[in-house]
Amino acid sequence: QKEVEQDPGPLSVPEGAIVSLNCTYSNSAFQYFMWYRQYSRKGPELLMYTYSSGNKEDGRFTAQVDKSSKYISLFIRDSQPSDSATYLCAMRGNAGNMLTFGGGTRLMVKP
Amino acid sequence: DAGVTQSPTHLIKTRGQQVTLRCSPISGHKSVSWYQQVLGQGPQFIFQYYEKEERGRGNFPDRFSARQFPNYSSELNVNALLLGDSALYLCASSFASQGAAYEQYFGPGTRLTVT
Repeated sequence: QKEVEQDPGPLSVPEGAIVSLNCTYSNSAFQYFMWYRQYSRKGPELLMYTYSSGNKEDGRFTAQVDKSSKYISLFIRDSQPSDSATYLCAMRGNAGNMLTFGGGTRLMVKP
Repeated sequence: DAGVTQSPTHLIKTRGQQVTLRCSPISGHKSVSWYQQVLGQGPQFIFQYYEKEERGRGNFPDRFSARQFPNYSSELNVNALLLGDSALYLCASSFASQGAAYEQYFGPGTRLTVT
């Protein structure tokens, strides 16, 4: 079993929809949680960064962390075709720099 | 400000050959990490360097090695290439090494194809 599980999709939604992306994890040492967006054949782009449990909002994006359930979410409001990409969750503990990634969810937003 | 830069963008090698990939971190960042991303999967951690010292190593064979230079740029070397080494190699830059909250920023990657 992988440390971080993420539904690969693809997830197809109409433009303007609210998108919910999720990851579950098994390592209780993870303290820092990130969401990256990756366009085809490009490097991951950092979208959201949260520490421990709680919510964080940035524009159309909201990240939620529930450490008690080992479950993190990314919500995208008013989704746009330009949001079509693969979304990667990543997390790490306090010791060291190593990020553990989920496998990524491919999102397609149709006009 | 320039982001993380990597070179080359793409290269093709033959099995058994050796390859060197290069990364320049964001100005002011002292930590560089390397990741391998096989098509359709999430990135996997290979190495982290901070202040020219290795601070972490993932589950990769000894054919993989890296180093960091005084200007904080880094090289990843892979010897005796196998077909399974074909992947996107990503470099990530950060200011710190551990503990405090900080972000890691990725470069565009080097796409390695082994034939």
